[in-house]
Amino acid sequence: GEDVEQSLFLSVREGDSSVINCTYTDSSSTYLYWYKQEPGAGLQLLTYIFSNMDMKQDQRLTVLLNKKDKHLSLRIADTQTGDSAIYFCAESLYNFNKFYFGSGTKLNVKP
Amino acid sequence: DAGVIQSPRHEVTEMGQEVTLRCKPISGHDYLFWYRQTMMRGLELLIYFNNNVPIDDSGMPEDRFSAKMPNASFSTLKIQPSEPRDSAVYFCASTTRRTGEGSYNEQFFGPGTRLTVL
Repeated sequence: GEDVEQSLFLSVREGDSSVINCTYTDSSSTYLYWYKQEPGAGLQLLTYIFSNMDMKQDQRLTVLLNKKDKHLSLRIADTQTGDSAIYFCAESLYNFNKFYFGSGTKLNVKP
Repeated sequence: DAGVIQSPRHEVTEMGQEVTLRCKPISGHDYLFWYRQTMMRGLELLIYFNNNVPIDDSGMPEDRFSAKMPNASFSTLKIQPSEPRDSAVYFCASTTRRTGEGSYNEQFFGPGTRLTVL
């Protein structure tokens, strides 16, 4: 089945850039997503990228997609303490219905 | 809209008891998903519905788990009998299919129910 993998933890200092990486196995992905989960809350969509794009920028967020290597990354510029959360990578396939989530990367931002 | 509503937010029960988790999706959404989140296994899809019909329940761990969606605005996930290994946060999410350009999918998650089985 589909497999989405992420590293479990990342720790950065406030003001630095954070880069969260994700690999996936299914080449028929149509969209890839980053969701953010704050403590005690559900997941919220942060950003997404269509599979025919290489990059998407949205304010402090930059998403890079390497379709050949099936690698997705999320870069957060000028990371703030409020960015501390768990970040999930996810893919949806041509049939739309199911999402496949990674295990989540816990980002810790130190002041 | 109030978003996806789940109840209860916290549930503590004893092994062997029946547990019922509830979800109200966003009005107009025709897909509903139940997920389970644990430290060991991350976020797992248990089952999802389309137009109140279960489409894929391959993630349901075993027969002790059952889910229903009697109408478009309500779903339940029941565990009977519950076991300590069922302790987790259970999320409900809903969405509707977009069409046309930019038809990405966004699942809207509820706040979750934290279940502890002693």
